[in-house]
Amino acid sequence: KNEVEQSPQNLTAQEGEFITINCSYSVGISALHWLQQHPGGGIVSLFMLSSGKKKHGRLIATINIQEKHSSLHITASHPRDSAVYICASFLSNDMRFGAGTRLTVKP
Amino acid sequence: GAVVSQHPSWVICKSGTSVKIECRSLDFQATTMFWYRQFPKQSLMLMATSNEGSKATYEQGVEKDKFLINHASLTLSTLTVTSAHPEDSSFYICSAAPGSGETQYFGPGTRLLVL
Repeated sequence: KNEVEQSPQNLTAQEGEFITINCSYSVGISALHWLQQHPGGGIVSLFMLSSGKKKHGRLIATINIQEKHSSLHITASHPRDSAVYICASFLSNDMRFGAGTRLTVKP
Repeated sequence: GAVVSQHPSWVICKSGTSVKIECRSLDFQATTMFWYRQFPKQSLMLMATSNEGSKATYEQGVEKDKFLINHASLTLSTLTVTSAHPEDSSFYICSAAPGSGETQYFGPGTRLLVL
């Protein structure tokens, strides 16, 4: 059974700070997703990655397959980045979700 | 980008009634659709995976007779909560995948409140 753990659970930052959210999983996977869920509930898929690093705007996601670990970084954080960030491991059609990290960015 | 819609966005019903939630892929064909449930302050929980034209695969602990899933076409999947009870009140989210890969596009979710 694949366990997905995220840290921290809650994170408060000042606008402009560099943010890192971590995700660890216990078994081999084919891909890892980073999702963003806004207060209204809507979910956006930020990244899907199986190796290396991806960048989109101020967001960067990295994954280390050997260490079974992924990180999501937000540079120059902004209040609109406030949301819950969820990592999810994917193997075939089996998805396992982390508990989520609630990020609050204060102006 | 790919768009997935859900209808209704919220529903309030009496205990014992059945509620149908639709999930549509608007600009692509979805080989696979996923249904998730999320309780307040908790993460997503995968309920079932459905492929067009075949029976859904339910996760352990999810009652297939209570949560009926129909994936009748490549753009529509429905989740019917039968004989809903207050404990079924939750946020139900679908996602759709255009192929056999892992890319998924999420719907906006449906909030169900059973009184």
